[in-house]
Amino acid sequence: SQTIHQWPATLVQPVGSPLSLECTVEGTSNPNLYWYRQAAGRGLQLLFYSVGIGQISSEVPQNLSASRPQDRQFILSSKKLLLSDSGFYLCAWSVQLLGSFFGQGTRLTVV
Amino acid sequence: DQQVKQNSPSLSVQEGRISILNCDYTNSMFDYFLWYKKYPAEGPTFLISISSIKDKNEDGRFTVFLNKSAKHLSLHIVPSQPGDSAVYFCAASDAGGTSYGKLTFGQGTILTVHP
Repeated sequence: SQTIHQWPATLVQPVGSPLSLECTVEGTSNPNLYWYRQAAGRGLQLLFYSVGIGQISSEVPQNLSASRPQDRQFILSSKKLLLSDSGFYLCAWSVQLLGSFFGQGTRLTVV
Repeated sequence: DQQVKQNSPSLSVQEGRISILNCDYTNSMFDYFLWYKKYPAEGPTFLISISSIKDKNEDGRFTVFLNKSAKHLSLHIVPSQPGDSAVYFCAASDAGGTSYGKLTFGQGTILTVHP
């Protein structure tokens, strides 16, 4: 069966520090991968998606970037965090384009 | 531009009664709709989905209804249980297009089921 791992679960980072969140998927090949963010009191907003290794599409302009160095690995990064980057970050995958399956999420607090 | 809207931020229901969560969408290209359940500090879990070629899909206590002409869908939970208390998100996708499985989410509805 397919599983998705996302870490860390919580993270507190100072403003201006770098960020790296990692997500890996097991039990499937060539998944579509996604990064979503849930800001406080709001729904989930798609940040990035990838349909293959090295291919990244950005949905909203922001201070973050994403990379896919391997088929089942998706990384969310920032060179310098802003206070507004705080939120709950979720990695997700899909194969048949009919719904996504989510990781457990990372609660990022920028202080 | 909020393409998927859940206009009720919260809903409170007695155990054993029906919970009805509503969702409206504006993008006529959406052809696949999903409901997710989310607990605090966890990722959303998939509940049920419906394709635009159907108007109803049922899975146990959960039924999703789709009214394409009104661009409205609803999730019915019968009977409601205290364990159903969570945030419910409606999501939509243009599965037949080149959306690559991207989902557009509503803001969520907090469901509280009282014993």
